[in-house]
Amino acid sequence: TQLLEQSPQFLSIQEGENLTVYCNSSSVFSSLQWYRQEPGEGPVLLVTVVTGGEVKKLKRLTFQFGDARKDSSLHITAAQPGDTGLYLCAGKTYKYIFGTGTRLKVLA
Amino acid sequence: GAGVSQSPSNKVTEKGKDVELRCDPISGHTALYWYRQSLGQGLEFLIYFQGNSAPDKSGLPSDRFSAERTGGSVSTLTIQRTQQEDSAVYLCASSLDPYYGYTFGSGTRLTVV
Repeated sequence: TQLLEQSPQFLSIQEGENLTVYCNSSSVFSSLQWYRQEPGEGPVLLVTVVTGGEVKKLKRLTFQFGDARKDSSLHITAAQPGDTGLYLCAGKTYKYIFGTGTRLKVLA
Repeated sequence: GAGVSQSPSNKVTEKGKDVELRCDPISGHTALYWYRQSLGQGLEFLIYFQGNSAPDKSGLPSDRFSAERTGGSVSTLTIQRTQQEDSAVYLCASSLDPYYGYTFGSGTRLTVV
């Protein structure tokens, strides 16, 4: 069974702190996406990474794809309350699968 | 349309009744997924369409659940004889190329009373 494990599962931090969310698998992914979901809404695509070792930045968010394309990380610098939400990684091997999710709460 | 549209946004139904949930994907998107999300949980895969065919139905929880897609566009998820454990948010997502990810609708919140 293919799995995308995310850690941590829950994270509660103060505004201004930095954090990293991890997404790990034993499978190799041809591409990997990160999504953010806010209450009452569907997940929104943040980024796609496709090349091993690739790093992409989206304002205060930095996404990295592992060299072997089996893992990824999301780093948030100086977190803000607006970053609160459920973060999901997802990837495509022969099928498209979602990670277990990281629920982030940023306190003002 | 500009995005993925789901209807209704909310549905309250009595136990034992049938419900139909509708998804209008982005025009031209050939891939379509249905997911279910219980309160505070991640996404549970239900079914995947490529065009009008469903190569992967492995996530449908029971034979009370069925889905179809017509004209490579609109999809309907039907739940027969609803049970309280069916209460959840049902999300639809579509893509032109899954390699680049999916666009989600806002979901249908189903409550079975």
